[in-house]
Amino acid sequence: DAKTTQPTSMDCAEGRAANLPCNHSTISGNEYVYWYRQIHSQGPQYIIHGLKNNETNEMASLIITEDRKSSTLILPHATLRDTAVYYCIVRIIQGAQKLVFGQGTRLTINP
Amino acid sequence: GAVVSQHPSRVICKSGTSVKIECRSLDFQATTMFWYRQFPKQSLMLMATSNEGSKATYEQGVEKDKFLINHASLTLSTLTVTSAHPEDSSFYICSATPIQGALETQYFGPGTRLLVL
Repeated sequence: DAKTTQPTSMDCAEGRAANLPCNHSTISGNEYVYWYRQIHSQGPQYIIHGLKNNETNEMASLIITEDRKSSTLILPHATLRDTAVYYCIVRIIQGAQKLVFGQGTRLTINP
Repeated sequence: GAVVSQHPSRVICKSGTSVKIECRSLDFQATTMFWYRQFPKQSLMLMATSNEGSKATYEQGVEKDKFLINHASLTLSTLTVTSAHPEDSSFYICSATPIQGALETQYFGPGTRLLVL
């Protein structure tokens, strides 16, 4: 699976949009971009995934650049409960399906 | 939907004893479950892939005789830490992928915190 690069930590004010970047410059054509988050002492929670089109669900939006070498997860109105470590992962759909976690971005939402 | 549970949520045991952790998919069937370990302030590390009805596939460096995995049904996988030692103290997390529906998404359990004294 392709390696991803994320900032170690970020801060965001409550109520503002949180934009979390992820670089995946070696992504191949059959690899998807996945985002998970882990709130302290809990299991990871699936957020969203995409291949090349932008995606939106009730939790977040995923913006993937045209060359697919980077993406941004957007939490439109961050709340204190969004404080967590956010993981960007790229992987193919078929095959072993295992997820390889990097260090992620520790997002802190401030009141 | 897509709920994964783990039992126990936390366990304390003496060094040398064995501990069994259960992972259940509550509202879906999963032919494949995964076991991860997470040390404090570190990311999740995949330990093994558990396949229903067959032997688990272990990641490099993970001792299969120490971390016994049994995937007896489409909704249950167990991880047994045999002869546990203090260095096995960690947060153990399982995940499962539905065999129908959202095939591409893994759902994680809440984790089991193991403390070996």
